[in-house]
Amino acid sequence: EIVLTQSPATLSLSPGEGATLSCRASQSVTTYFAWYQQKPGQAPRLLIYDASNRAAGIPARFSGSGSGTDFTLTISSLEPEDFALYYCQQRYYWPPTFGGGTKVDIK
Amino acid sequence: EVQLLDSGGGLVQPGGSLRLSCAASGFTFSHYAMNWVRHAPGKGLEWVSAISGSGTSTYYADSVKGRLTISRDNSKNTVYLQMNSLRAEDTAIYYCAKDGEVVPGYTLDKWGQGTLVTVSA
Repeated sequence: EIVLTQSPATLSLSPGEGATLSCRASQSVTTYFAWYQQKPGQAPRLLIYDASNRAAGIPARFSGSGSGTDFTLTISSLEPEDFALYYCQQRYYWPPTFGGGTKVDIK
Repeated sequence: EVQLLDSGGGLVQPGGSLRLSCAASGFTFSHYAMNWVRHAPGKGLEWVSAISGSGTSTYYADSVKGRLTISRDNSKNTVYLQMNSLRAEDTAIYYCAKDGEVVPGYTLDKWGQGTLVTVSA
């Protein structure tokens, strides 16, 4: 089973700042990789699929990059609604697996 | 608008059974695979099961194989998760999630709000 390690566990930032979230896979997953956002009490929401493609309705301030084992989610300028939990996921190997999450909270 | 409404969670004793449902709307249900993903307390997300759009192919995580059964009724736009022989470690919020393809590709582009299953004596 592929292990996804997200870092940091918590990112404390102010609105308007940029955020960089990382995820490392235990083996290459090419670009079969996604990012999800989850707010308290809400369902997860797909942000990025296939490593760098924004899902429908996702603002341009969210971008994804990477391939192989190292992936990055970048939020160019944090809006108040972006403070949430973020998960990465791979689907190259079965079963699909998720990372442990990065919490972006308000500094 | 795509909507998924999860229901059926509750408190059940170890060894007991429960059936979760997920009612879908806003898309052609039979054209997409469906998944169940769970989030246990203090743990990360865990993929549990998937079913193809036609319902003919099903897939399970090793941790639930033989105890949980996924099914769908395309005439009712609903996917189910029959949960038997439940254990304490099955305690979690269970989410249904729409796949992006007719056979599971595991890009989960829409999720339900989740239903809580608690297994405890």
